Parts: sequence; C-alpha cells; structure tokens
Amino acid sequence: GAVVSQHPSWVICKSGTSVKIECRSLDFQATTMFWYRQFPKQSLMLMATSNEGSKATYEQGVEKDKFLINHASLTLSTLTVTSAHPEDSSFYICSARQGLGAFFGPGTRLTVL
Amino acid sequence: KQEVTQIPAALSVPEGENLVLNCSFTDSAIYNLQWFRQDPGKGLTSLLLIQSSQREQTSGRLNASLDKSSGRSTLYIAASQPGDSATYLCAVRPWQAGTALIFGKGTTLSVSS
Repeated sequence: GAVVSQHPSWVICKSGTSVKIECRSLDFQATTMFWYRQFPKQSLMLMATSNEGSKATYEQGVEKDKFLINHASLTLSTLTVTSAHPEDSSFYICSARQGLGAFFGPGTRLTVL
Repeated sequence: KQEVTQIPAALSVPEGENLVLNCSFTDSAIYNLQWFRQDPGKGLTSLLLIQSSQREQTSGRLNASLDKSSGRSTLYIAASQPGDSATYLCAVRPWQAGTALIFGKGTTLSVSS
C-alpha cells in the first residue's frame, strides 16, 4: 500500500526558532499533499493544501508567512514553522492522495519551549 | 460548509461486546467517506473507505455503512478486544476535486479485559 513518511517524528525547539518538517510519499507520486494540525483531544484541522510546483493554498486563519510550505517535487512537501512560539506546539500530520484514498504520515510532535 | 460530527465522544465497553460508532455530516455531496484509527500520539491508520455510490464496506471484524442521503455513517466493531482501544475518526472527502478530508472529532474507545 501507499506509504507516507514524515521527518522528524518529534522536535523540541526554543521560542523564536524555525522548524522544518518533511513529508514524503515513498512509493507513489503525489501532486497534492495536505498539512493538518491536531491539538490535544481535538480533531485534525486542515492548514493548507500543497500543490507540486505552485503556491500552497492556506485555510482561513492560517498565516502563510508563518507556516511556509514548499512542494518542490512529486514526492516531497515541507512545512516550515517560522519563529515558533509555544502556542505553535501541536501534532502536525501530512497527507497525500493516491487514487481514491488519502494516506497519512505518522505525524510530527512539535514542542516549543 | 461541511461539518462532521461523531457520537459518542467516548465509549467504554467490556471485551467481547459488539459496538457501533456514529458519524454524521451536513452536506451529502461527498466523494467518499473514510474511517481511521488513531492511537495516542500516533498518526492515522485507514480502516475502511466507502465510495459515495457504495452502501457498506467490511474488513475483518469491522463493517462501515454509508447513507449519503441522510448524511450518516456507522462503524460496527464485532467482538471488541482490548487492542481495539483507540480513537476512531470519521472523515469525508467533499465532491470538489483536490479537496482535503474533513474530520470529525473522533470517538475514543476503551475496551476492558
């Protein structure tokens, strides 16, 4: 089946630093990937849609200058949290679509001190 | 705007019981509906995917039904086991091309031995 990986699986950083999260489709090409954020005991909330070779589409309320998305190839999308603050601490999950289904990465736990 | 609701939010049952998790959505214009399992601190595992033209899907002890016209889906788990303890998420894919999944808040299931 389709496999999506994320790296790192967890990261702890100081407030004000930037963190990059990678999402890779390992055995298929994904022209579209999605980035979600999940707060404790909450559901997944879509942050942005990442399209290969073009600018990402952000959901309302998501700051595009804070959450930089780059989809440079058909198998890689990156999310960079710039100038991270404690309120950015969350579980970030990417998804790639193949055929009829959506396949999710294992998630990245970000903790900002 | 599509909204997905899951009831109950939490459920505790003894091992061996059959149980039903409910999911409702407000807009019947969906492409498909997917049920996921999420273990604490982990990513998503796809359980079942039902296309809008289908009524149900089965995998092992799991059976998911879809009534698109009424905006409802159920996940039936037969002979529950402690290993089934997890959060179960329902998500719909809107009909529009390229759109992301919209998730419910999930049902947290605890099966005691």
